[in-house]
Amino acid sequence: DVKVTQSSRYLVKRTGEKVFLECVQDMDHENMFWYRQDPGLGLRLIYFSYDVKMKEKGDIPEGYSVSREKKERFSLILESASTNQTSMYLCASSLLAEGSNEQFFGPGTRLTVL
Amino acid sequence: KNQVEQSPQSLIILEGKNCTLQCNYTVSPFSNLRWYKQDTGRGPVSLTIMTFSENTKSNGRYTATLDADTKQSSLHITASQLSDSASYICVVITTGGGNKLTFGTGTQLKVEL
Repeated sequence: DVKVTQSSRYLVKRTGEKVFLECVQDMDHENMFWYRQDPGLGLRLIYFSYDVKMKEKGDIPEGYSVSREKKERFSLILESASTNQTSMYLCASSLLAEGSNEQFFGPGTRLTVL
Repeated sequence: KNQVEQSPQSLIILEGKNCTLQCNYTVSPFSNLRWYKQDTGRGPVSLTIMTFSENTKSNGRYTATLDADTKQSSLHITASQLSDSASYICVVITTGGGNKLTFGTGTQLKVEL
């Protein structure tokens, strides 16, 4: 079974703090993704990566950055957290770049910024 | 603008009953469509995938249909169980240019005794 794990299930941070969300997958997938999920808006793509050290902006990259130093690990960074970044963050991975390939999701990190 | 709209937003049914969830999309060009199930506090898990040429696909008690002409899909759940309580998300994938997914906002299903 594909396993995607995220470092924290719940996280509470203060405005202005630097926040790191970690994601690890164990199936040697090339592609990894970060989404945020908000009520009434569905999942929105923040950043994705097709390979180590490669990154591409998604639909809502503002206020976020990412790092992929190793194939199995994809980190999402909030340089200076703000209250409007309170959300559920979901990491996903897939085997190939083609859209038909299933994305496997982690359990999510619910981030609250006070 | 690529959009995926789902209805109803929420639904409550009694255990053992059937239900049908709807998905309408304007995504183009179309590659395939997936239905995901998301339990509370967990990440989405894929239930079915349908390509342009497929009309129906089943996965146990879940049956998805696709009408590519009218750009509509449905997910039918037969003999519902308490464990079916979850959010069901319709996702449409475009062709070319990488892994572009458009997500619906989901239908929240609650199955009660």
